[in-house]
This record gives sequence, C-alpha cells and structure tokens, in this order.
Amino acid sequence: SQQGEEDPQALSIQEGENATMNCSYKTSINNLQWYRQNSGRGLVHLILIRSNEREKHSGRLRVTLDTSKKSSSLLITASRAADTASYFCATVTSGTYKYIFGTGTRLKVLA
Amino acid sequence: DVKVTQSSRYLVKRTGEKVFLECVQDMDHENMFWYRQDPGLGLRLIYFSYDVKMKEKGDIPEGYSVSREKKERFSLILESASTNQTSMYLCASSRMYNEKLFFGSGTQLSVL
Repeated sequence: SQQGEEDPQALSIQEGENATMNCSYKTSINNLQWYRQNSGRGLVHLILIRSNEREKHSGRLRVTLDTSKKSSSLLITASRAADTASYFCATVTSGTYKYIFGTGTRLKVLA
Repeated sequence: DVKVTQSSRYLVKRTGEKVFLECVQDMDHENMFWYRQDPGLGLRLIYFSYDVKMKEKGDIPEGYSVSREKKERFSLILESASTNQTSMYLCASSRMYNEKLFFGSGTQLSVL
C-alpha cells in the first residue's frame, strides 16, 4: 500500500484481468485522489472520492474508501496494455493545502 | 481542458548555477504547486502558492525559492544548483483547495 508500506509496489497481470492496488494513510482527510503516470511524464487525475463516500466508479475504475481503516483501493477491471503505468494515491488533509502522495504502484499489463 | 506547461522537458546544469524552472497554466487556477519526484520517495512538495505573490513552504523547501508575479505563472528557482537536486520536477495547479490537480509533463533536471 502507498504512503506506508507498499503492497504491492509492482504488479504484473495479463490483459483482461483485474488489477487491484491499495493505499493507506495516517491522517484525517478531506478526500482521496488517484492519479496515473506514464513513464517519465506528468500525473493525470483519475478519480476523487470524498471522506463521506465509500465507493465510486468511473468507467473501468472502481475506488473504495474505508475511513475507519484509513485505507483505499483502486480496482481496474478488464485491464489493457495501455493501462501500464504507475498509479498514485494522494490524500488531501483537512485544514491544509497539502496533497500527500504515496510512492506508487507500478502496473504492467501484458498483451 | 486545462493545460499546464513546463518550459523544458530535459535540462542539464552545472553545480553552482542558478536554475529557473517555469510553469504556466491557462485556466485561471488559484493554486499552483512544485513537486520533485525521486525513485522510491514519491512526490514531495517543495512550495505552493495560493495567490499572486503568496507562497508557502512545502516539505522540502531548502535550496529552492519560488516566484509568482502573475496568476498563470509559477517559477521555481534553484539558487545554486547541487548534484542532490538532480530530479524530476513537476508543476501542478488546481482551481480550488481540495480539488484535483492538473500536472505539467515534468522537467528532468540533471545537475553535473
């Protein structure tokens, strides 16, 4: 998981399979966001889930948030080779401007 | 869509040089940020700005300064570049506090 111990730091799956990555955080949050980064490029925002939401969907993405466990997961269904990238979670801490990023999960989708 | 433009994709500088990294956003966003990204360390916040001429230190401001004279432009300055500042530098902006960030493509800086 990110922002702590990574689990997994890297993930390799076959095209068509689902990919799940996890994020843990330590502080009270306003929202949690997921980003994707293709190799050597900037990050692209994927989805935002607020602290009072438990689950959110966007296309093939499903995000869950468990504030009691201070954790979130990102599920990518029916993965494609184009999903190969690093995925980061970012927590927005209540009362500050800070977005705290995890160290990322490297996903490789094999065709 | 919002565009965040960083002036250089790759930059090579010598130790002791003064380095300017420029970032421009085209959507009138209030907030702008500078991060550096290093393998295994994720993204670390250097500085952010929530308005023209306003700035706040992030987690690793030492050796850096910033300038925001116009709303659309946020510059990161390395006063005297050192080899430990070799990194990927990422600029980002957001319309409001808590909202999603829009990132530039990054500048890979090498200090020799």
